[in-house]
Amino acid sequence: AQTVTQSQPEMSVQEAETVTLSCTYDTSENNYYLFWYKQPPSRQMILVIRQEAYKQQNATENRFSVNFQKAAKSFSLKISDSQLGDTAMYFCAFMKRNSGTYKYIFGTGTRLKVLA
Amino acid sequence: ETGVTQTPRHLVMGMTNKKSLKCEQHLGHNAMYWYKQSAKKPLELMFVYNFKEQTENNSVPSRFSPECPNSSHLFLHLHTLQPEDSALYLCASSFDWNTGELFFGEGSRLTVL
Repeated sequence: AQTVTQSQPEMSVQEAETVTLSCTYDTSENNYYLFWYKQPPSRQMILVIRQEAYKQQNATENRFSVNFQKAAKSFSLKISDSQLGDTAMYFCAFMKRNSGTYKYIFGTGTRLKVLA
Repeated sequence: ETGVTQTPRHLVMGMTNKKSLKCEQHLGHNAMYWYKQSAKKPLELMFVYNFKEQTENNSVPSRFSPECPNSSHLFLHLHTLQPEDSALYLCASSFDWNTGELFFGEGSRLTVL
């Protein structure tokens, strides 16, 4: 069975600085997807960034980038130039397609606080 | 405006009550999901529906009863709940063979007394 581990329950970073959130996963699958989702306080969870396992190039979305190490089963998220609006819970997730739906395994989350 | 709307946002109920959570998506998606979010635990998948048909029931107790009358609406009927069922219940939807992204509602915060 797949598992996703986020070893940092809480982190903080000064505004404008860079922070990296860690995520490791365990699977015997070769084709899968990895995601980072953001859940701001009392607001809906939204997608931050996604990575297809078959792609070697690390995904980037503006200030957000990942370091995907397939052999090590590691998928960390780097947030550059942190902003107050980045304060949120961040969830790492593993996904396999399953006959038209998506089977997700989520980590326990990292609570990130950006300090002014 | 969010594409996935959940009501009510907050619900307090006694263990003998019967209540329902509602989810509506305006995105034209084919699949809808119920997740349970508890503090310091991973999101737990409860049910999955694809084109109104239930495709997954993740060993959820029968006191939780889902209903999906069409691809846009999803309900979670609650009866004789336990205090440990208190959690944030999230609804999500997705589109077949798209980017794999789940679109979430803001959640229904349930407290069982």
